[in-house]
Amino acid sequence: AQSVAQPEDQVNVAEGNPLTVKCTYSVSGNPYLFWYVQYPNRGLQFLLKYITGDNLVKGSYGFEAEFNKSQTSFHLKKPSALVSDSALYFCAVRDFYSSASKIIFGSGTRLSIRP
Amino acid sequence: ETGVTQTPRHLVMGMTNKKSLKCEQHLGHNAMYWYKQSAKKPLELMFVYSLEERVENNSVPSRFSPECPNSSHLFLHLHTLQPEDSALYLCASSQNSGSRDNEQFFGPGTRLTVL
Repeated sequence: AQSVAQPEDQVNVAEGNPLTVKCTYSVSGNPYLFWYVQYPNRGLQFLLKYITGDNLVKGSYGFEAEFNKSQTSFHLKKPSALVSDSALYFCAVRDFYSSASKIIFGSGTRLSIRP
Repeated sequence: ETGVTQTPRHLVMGMTNKKSLKCEQHLGHNAMYWYKQSAKKPLELMFVYSLEERVENNSVPSRFSPECPNSSHLFLHLHTLQPEDSALYLCASSQNSGSRDNEQFFGPGTRLTVL
């Protein structure tokens, strides 16, 4: 079965420092991977996706993610964190075994950026 | 915003009430989704509609009844809910063209409290 895991419930980073939010996946076949962000009292917003091609994917708000097939990981990164990046981040994978366009989400990681 | 609107944004109801949540997408998409987001739980997919047909129902209790009258509108009818149904209910849409890489766009959610 397709699944993603986010091993950290919370990540704390000082403003200006690089940040990493971890995600590992388990799929049969080629993975279609996504990152979403959720700000307080809002719905989820799409950040970026990996389908094929370059392992480094660039997305919105200066975020990028690195696809690593050997480690089955898709970590979200940003070179310099902003306080406004504080939010809940979800990794997700396309479910190939569903007849519908179904995405399976991880449990989420709360990112807190301190000034 | 994201092109997906939800009303009401907040709803408080008693266990014997009947209410409906409304979702509208202005993106020309042909698939729509209902998710439940509870504190400290992964995002739960409830229903998927593709081309106005329900294609997935993830063992959701019958006190939740979805309706998709056209490709732009999705409703979730609620009756005799339980306090544990209190959560953020998110609607999403995507363009399902047989391709597997189409991201979903989310509404802001309805915060439901069942007394």
